Amino acid sequence: QKEVEQNSGPLSVPEGAIASLNCTYSDRGSQSFFWYRQYSGKSPELIMFIYSNGDKEDGRFTAQLNKASQYVSLLIRDSQPSDSATYLCAVGNQAGTALIFGKGTTLSVSS
Amino acid sequence: NAGVMQNPRHLVRRRGQEARLRCSPMKGHSHVYWYRQLPEEGLKFMVYLQKENIIDESGMPKERFSAEFPKEGPSILRIQQVVRGDSAAYFCASSPLTRGEGETQYFGPGTRLLVL
Repeated sequence: QKEVEQNSGPLSVPEGAIASLNCTYSDRGSQSFFWYRQYSGKSPELIMFIYSNGDKEDGRFTAQLNKASQYVSLLIRDSQPSDSATYLCAVGNQAGTALIFGKGTTLSVSS
Repeated sequence: NAGVMQNPRHLVRRRGQEARLRCSPMKGHSHVYWYRQLPEEGLKFMVYLQKENIIDESGMPKERFSAEFPKEGPSILRIQQVVRGDSAAYFCASSPLTRGEGETQYFGPGTRLLVL
């Protein structure tokens, strides 16, 4: 059973701080990795995707991938109260037919 | 807005009835995926379809659930003889491709199914 593990949180950070979200996955053959944000009662919204080892930056967000350690992370700089949501890590299966999701980490940014 | 469209947004059914959930992918996307999110649970893959073909249904329950994506019209997820355990949010996603950056899946607003 392929798994994606995330700390459920809640992760609480003050406004302006860096939030660090982590994810590990079990399938060594996975090639694609995604971070989604989901507000309560809403649908998942894509934040970033990453395919290669290293860092990928987009605005206040940085995704980091380490395939050797089977580890993906998301850094949110200058956190805002509007960033308060559940962050879902998703890993593409080898066949490219499905995303395997973690249960999500709840982030709370206090003003 | 050319986003993924789902309807209905909310659906109430009594036990034993049928539920039909519809999904229209984003313009230019030919790959459709269905996921289910149970209360306090993560998103679980159900089925992946292309036009007129089911490619991967490994996450679909063997009984009562079926999916289709006809040549014309939206993708349909059908649940027969619903039970209370089917109450969940059902999300549809679409992508233009299945490899590389094109495999990124974009989600619709979901259908919240409540079985009484």
